[in-house]
Amino acid sequence: QKEVEQNSGPLSVPEGAIASLNCTYSDRGSQSFFWYRQYSGKSPELIMSIYSNGDKEDGRFTAQLNKASQYVSLLIRDSQPSDSATYLCAVRTDRGSTLGRLYFGRGTQLTVWP
Amino acid sequence: DTGVSQDPRHKITKRGQNVTFRCDPISEHNRLYWYRQTLGQGPEFLTYFQNEAQLEKSRLLSDRFSAERPKGSFSTLEIQRTEQGDSAMYLCASSLEGFSRGTEAFFGQGTRLTVV
Repeated sequence: QKEVEQNSGPLSVPEGAIASLNCTYSDRGSQSFFWYRQYSGKSPELIMSIYSNGDKEDGRFTAQLNKASQYVSLLIRDSQPSDSATYLCAVRTDRGSTLGRLYFGRGTQLTVWP
Repeated sequence: DTGVSQDPRHKITKRGQNVTFRCDPISEHNRLYWYRQTLGQGPEFLTYFQNEAQLEKSRLLSDRFSAERPKGSFSTLEIQRTEQGDSAMYLCASSLEGFSRGTEAFFGQGTRLTVV
C-alpha cells in the first residue's frame, strides 16, 4: 500500500468553478500535510500546509483535514486557467527514524478551461 | 535570491560517467532533502540531512548514489556509473526544524539529468 494516494485525474473544470482535489494517506501517526503545485517542467511550489483537523483557508484555496478518515483535500474556488497544473499531496511522518520524511502522492493534473 | 538553489539546472551525460549535483538551501534551514522525480510520478525520497548528519537513505537507492552535507550548509549528490534509468529531475528541498512538528519544505528549481 502506497503511503499517499491521489486520483491521478486529469481533472478538468471550467473557469470560475470549484476544483476539488483529494488525498488519502496510510500512516495514522502523520501530523503534517501539505499541498504543492507543480507546473510542467518546473519544481513543486508549496501552496498550503495544514496540521489540525478542519479547514484552513488562504485566498482561493481551502485545505481540509480529517485525521480519523486519513483524508486531506484541497479546494480551489473561482478556478483560473493559471491554476492549471499538477497538484501534489505531501504527508510528513513524525515517527522514529523516519522523523520528518515527506511522502508524496503521484499528483492530480488539473486543467481549467476558459 | 534567498531560495533554494540547485546547480546545474540541466546535465546531459554519457552512460557510465559520474555526475555531481549541488544544492544550497535557504540559509537558516537546518534540514535538507533530496528527491528524484520522473515523468508522471510524484517526488521519490532519496535521502535527508539534519545539519551535517545524514538521517536516512532510501533503501531503493543503490550504492552508486551518495550524498554529503559537509558543515551542514550546501549538499552534493553524486551518481557514479550513470545508467539510462537515472534520467530524471533531481530535486532538493530545505526546511527549518524546531522543537515541534517542524515547518514547511521549499524546493529548488531542480537539476534535470539526461543519460544518453
